[in-house]
Amino acid sequence: EAGVAQSPRYKIIEKRQSVAFWCNPISGHATLYWYQQILGQGPKLLIQFQNNGVVDDSQLPKDRFSAERLKGVDSTLKIQPAKLEDSAVYLCASSSAGGGEINIQYFGAGTRLSVL
Amino acid sequence: GQNIDQPTEMTATEGAIVQINCTYQTSGFNGLFWYQQHAGEAPTFLSYNVLDGLEEKGRFSSFLSRSKGYSYLLLKELQMKDSASYLCAVIDSNYQLIWGAGTKLIIKP
Repeated sequence: EAGVAQSPRYKIIEKRQSVAFWCNPISGHATLYWYQQILGQGPKLLIQFQNNGVVDDSQLPKDRFSAERLKGVDSTLKIQPAKLEDSAVYLCASSSAGGGEINIQYFGAGTRLSVL
Repeated sequence: GQNIDQPTEMTATEGAIVQINCTYQTSGFNGLFWYQQHAGEAPTFLSYNVLDGLEEKGRFSSFLSRSKGYSYLLLKELQMKDSASYLCAVIDSNYQLIWGAGTKLIIKP
């Protein structure tokens, strides 16, 4: 079974530029998560999708971050414009269970973003 | 507020046993996960506890005490490849996953 796919693996941009990350979850997984992980910290949830609907985006900085999952499968996360403090690893995860159920999240390898 | 505490870093010797502790204060409890994360890689699932007691899985075991808000991950017969960060995460009453900062485990020969 293929795992969670993410691209690109690395990205270096200058502040105020835009960047987009792509995620393809495990086939059949209805729930998709985007996390931000700063070095030395645990993952911070940015947004959670159930199929193509948003379950939780309370910690997403909506003035600069946006995410979509139009067909309930692939997802993109965009930052526009980027700030220095956005330098982090962006992890995508998916799970088979819906909200309110216990489920295991499976993670992609992540995209390491450096903002200069 | 919600809080999960883990030691920042631990060091152990190859072949030995190490216990990584996790204490939590969350709004409700619906289970606790342990994940392993090698440097530069994605977190991978290790264990899940929802009832009190010990869950054993090969060289790794995880313990939970809900009354104490406490869990530990026990690693036996340590190998060099066990050098990684170990993340504790709790499911709260809203079924949201609250993550700890992780414990970096360094294994020395």
